[in-house]
Amino acid sequence: NAGVMQNPRHLVRRRGQEARLRCSPMKGHSHVYWYRQLPEEGLKFMVYLQKENIIDESGMPKERFSAEFPKEGPSILRIQQVVRGDSAAYFCASGGGSTDTQYFGPGTRLTVL
Amino acid sequence: AQSVTQPDIHITVSEGASLELRCNYSYGATPYLFWYVQSPGQGLQLLLKYFSGDTLVQGIKGFEAEFKRSQSSFNLRKPSVHWSDAAEYFCALGAGSYQLTFGKGTKLSVIP
Repeated sequence: NAGVMQNPRHLVRRRGQEARLRCSPMKGHSHVYWYRQLPEEGLKFMVYLQKENIIDESGMPKERFSAEFPKEGPSILRIQQVVRGDSAAYFCASGGGSTDTQYFGPGTRLTVL
Repeated sequence: AQSVTQPDIHITVSEGASLELRCNYSYGATPYLFWYVQSPGQGLQLLLKYFSGDTLVQGIKGFEAEFKRSQSSFNLRKPSVHWSDAAEYFCALGAGSYQLTFGKGTKLSVIP
């Protein structure tokens, strides 16, 4: 019963390095959503992808952040030249359709030193 | 724009006591509403959801929630809390779209 998988669970980067976060959706799901959770905050939507397509990236910071969901393999959230303010928990969710229930992975906790 | 408010940041209850966590939303039409629970260092687990129909929704782990359109509320309840219920609870709104809007969460502590 594989749910949404995310790795790594914890990631430590120094300022200026790149962070790469992976998400494998639940079996049968072709819709992936990324959310960010800052300390003491709820989750904030970042981006919505389907296979090989970015549907909505309105929640993504304009610079340094990118996401992809290739035909084969997991979805990747990439943060270039990380800064301390990028430290957060990043959650991936998957669903079977754009209005379907979203099921969340365990998250990747990024710490930028 | 839609929003979700969880007025209580932290609630402490005794084991066996009843629980109600408040959630208010702002949205111009009938929303999709969700409650998720997050244990420390873990992801979010779906407790229950409201799409339409019966306004009293049953979920997992003995939780239920009631949608009240007149009050723009979707409060979560449990008649008898267990120590394992200690976690953070998030109310979320799906306003006819895939973007979920989350409240800031309510942290629940349970006293043995």
